[in-house]
Formats: sequence, C-alpha cells, structure tokens
Amino acid sequence: EAQVTQNPRYLITVTGKKLTVTCSQNMNHEYMSWYRQDPGLGLRQIYYSMNVEVTDKGDVPEGYKVSRKEKRNFPLILESPSPNQTSLYFCASSLIQTSTDTQYFGPGTRLTVL
Amino acid sequence: AQSVAQPEDQVNVAEGNPLTVKCTYSVSGNPYLFWYVQYPNRGLQFLLKYITGDNLVKGSYGFEAEFNKSQTSFHLKKPSALVSDSALYFCAVRVQRGSGGYQKVTFGIGTKLQVIP
Repeated sequence: EAQVTQNPRYLITVTGKKLTVTCSQNMNHEYMSWYRQDPGLGLRQIYYSMNVEVTDKGDVPEGYKVSRKEKRNFPLILESPSPNQTSLYFCASSLIQTSTDTQYFGPGTRLTVL
Repeated sequence: AQSVAQPEDQVNVAEGNPLTVKCTYSVSGNPYLFWYVQYPNRGLQFLLKYITGDNLVKGSYGFEAEFNKSQTSFHLKKPSALVSDSALYFCAVRVQRGSGGYQKVTFGIGTKLQVIP
C-alpha cells in the first residue's frame, strides 16, 4: 500500500531534550516536506527536499533541522525543543516532474513540549 | 511572496443544499491550485487541482472548483452537501521556479465546513 508513515504519532517531551520525528514514504517520490499545523494558522511549511541531499527552508524553519540521506526518509530534528514548537506535524511527499503533482500526507505527529 | 486566503473560518450549510468554500491567492507566475480535506484526527487528503485548461475542475466525492484568473480565486463547490462532508478544507498554491527547482507550497488557514442534518 502506498503510504507516508510518521513516528511517533504522539510525543510529550521537555524543553531542550533533542528529538527526531521520522518520516518514510514507499512511493519513490523525490519531493518531501514537513508542515506544522496550528489553530488559526493553518499549515505552514517548515522544510522541503527536492531529492537526496537537496533541502531548503520553508516559511518557518527556525528551531528545526532536516536531512535527506535516502530517498524514502526525511526526518525532522528538533535539537532543543521549546514550548512554542508544540504543534501537529505532517510529513508529505510527491513526485516533482511538474509542480502539478499532488502531495500525499502522513497521519500526523502531535508534539507537546513542556 | 505567494499567499492564500480563506476568508471564512467556518461555513455552515444544510444537508442537500449547495456549498461553497472560498479561496483567493496571490502568486508571481502561473499558479497550480489544490484543495485538500482533513477529517478529524487524520492527515490531509487530496480533493482536486487546477493546472491549466478548463476553469471548472472536478474532483473526489462530487466536489468541483472554479478557477477565476481575473479574480484570483479558486472556490470549492458541491451541488448537494452531505453530513459526511463535514471536515476542514484547505486551499493550497504551488509554484515551480526554474528548471525543476524551488517547489514551495503555501496553504490557507483552512475552513471548517459543518453540514447540518
């Protein structure tokens, strides 16, 4: 089954404790992206990747890191989480032959930073 | 900078009535426009997209959207609403710059659709 998976689905942590949210897709998509969803703000793009070893900042990259060492995986790293990073996070992937390809979204990771 | 506006936080409609969820956008270049739906505790699902050609595009679950270049709008419509259509709807715009590069995506803040039985 074609899908985007994220782990963990729920995470409660404390300020400053490094964490990684994993994202994996099995559709051989070049493009992968991370979003955060906050009430009243919708979805905002954190980082995206056009292919292996190619990443770029979205609208809200501060406090986050990403890496793309393999095509299928695109982990989101919070080196020193803060309470304002409490949010619902979505990973997405798509083909990029053109801009017209739709994104497939993972189920989301609800992160709480105390 | 590109942007998407969804002017209504919530739209209420009676079951069986037509529904419209509004979206306007601002981009430099040709926009590729999308609608996604999010059901409670789920990720986003693709509904439909406009790339080029016919201004009226049809998508999943009986939804359609009309692209209006002069008004920079891409409103989502359905002729007859179902209670099961109740969800959060997001409009998004994507622009490709250069050859294969810079695929930034901008989403609206979302509109909650409530279909009343």
